[in-house]
Amino acid sequence: QVQLQESGPGLVRPSETLSLTCTVSGASINTYYWSWIRQPPGMRLEWIGYINYSGNTNYNPSLKSRVTISLDTSKNQFSLNLSSVTAADTALYYCARGSFYMLMWGPGTLVTVSS
Amino acid sequence: EIVLTQSPGTLSLSPGERATLSCRASQSVSSSYLTWYQQSPGQAPRLLIFGASSRATGIPDRFRGSGSGTDFTLTISRLEPEDFVVYYCQQYGSSPITFGQGTRLEIK
Repeated sequence: QVQLQESGPGLVRPSETLSLTCTVSGASINTYYWSWIRQPPGMRLEWIGYINYSGNTNYNPSLKSRVTISLDTSKNQFSLNLSSVTAADTALYYCARGSFYMLMWGPGTLVTVSS
Repeated sequence: EIVLTQSPGTLSLSPGERATLSCRASQSVSSSYLTWYQQSPGQAPRLLIFGASSRATGIPDRFRGSGSGTDFTLTISRLEPEDFVVYYCQQYGSSPITFGQGTRLEIK
């Protein structure tokens, strides 16, 4: 059974880089597509982007200039980096298996951007 | 980008009743690339329906998705107590992928 778990700092300072990792168990990161989605408080879900088993990525144009998603096959993990964060980036961040639709989600991790 | 509008925002029904949830797109969703998720409090979303009408693995047949173009519907035929949570639609017919704002199903 595939399981995903997000990890990373719960507090990030404005203008810094938000970095999260998703650890995958029950499946190899070298198969499937893997995504990041976020949900700001009281707002709808927002797709951030995805990466495939070859390392090819596709990002939301609204975030593309600040986002990097990468794979670490040695640890069976994939990561999200979001640069130059502001309070608007405060959200519950989810990692998921899938690209166009998400078959399995992690429990999510709350990231707050504040000084 | 395609904007998805779900209605109603909150739906009050009783167990055993039928629920009809709507998702309307600002432009046509190509190839019916429309998905429905269910989210319980404090939990991650769970995939219910993809391709507008295909049930995901393990989803009971009381959940049915339908629609095409700009109008899509999730029907839950006989509400169980665990069904009273939040439902989201999502389109993947054009980039960027976008989500609806959600419909909350509450016990009347």
